[in-house]
Amino acid sequence: NAGVTQTPKFQVLKTGQSMTLQCAQDMNHEYMSWYRQDPGMGLRLIHYSVGAGITDQGEVPNGYNVSRSTTEDFPLRLLSAAPSQTSVYFCASRADSFYNSPLHFGNGTRLTVT
Amino acid sequence: AQKVTQAQTEISVVEKEDVTLDCVYETRDTTYYLFWYKQPPSGELVFLIRRNSFDEQNEISGRYSWNFQKSTSSFNFTITASQVVDSAVYFCALFNQAGTALIFGKGTTLSVSS
Repeated sequence: NAGVTQTPKFQVLKTGQSMTLQCAQDMNHEYMSWYRQDPGMGLRLIHYSVGAGITDQGEVPNGYNVSRSTTEDFPLRLLSAAPSQTSVYFCASRADSFYNSPLHFGNGTRLTVT
Repeated sequence: AQKVTQAQTEISVVEKEDVTLDCVYETRDTTYYLFWYKQPPSGELVFLIRRNSFDEQNEISGRYSWNFQKSTSSFNFTITASQVVDSAVYFCALFNQAGTALIFGKGTTLSVSS
């Protein structure tokens, strides 16, 4: 059982480039989400999804796009990368039917925008 | 608005010392869920404990214990007889009533030296 898988682990982009961070889970979880982690800021929610075809914004959605075409996958797109998007990105999922169930996190993607 | 405050940014202790990590939360929800996560130097996020607002019993798991007090809106975490392997960033987090967002504190970095 792989859990939550994120790719790539590391990425360097130039300002203005676009890319997609991949996230896949094999636990049949309905809820999936993306967080970014910055020094001294903790983790902040970017976007989340409560099921296929349903997405919504979190605390810091600007500059990011998401879609949820399948239960398993929840990619995060950076449309035009900016240095302010240099961060560590975590994807997480949980079984939505269990409201108090903990989030399962992927191992993170470290993104640097130059 | 919901908020989690971890006032201690960094704590340094010597092995075998006891250490308490503080967490204070704010919410208007009557039902809510609190969590602690550990982030070791390797970077992954590890779930430690979940507590719901109905249950104020303290919990002990080996060297770890948690003190939940609704009267002071606190959910503190104590490590007894700390070990070098406990060195990590520890996050306290609060799930909103809708279950859509896990709100993190900024984390406490614990350094345990031998």
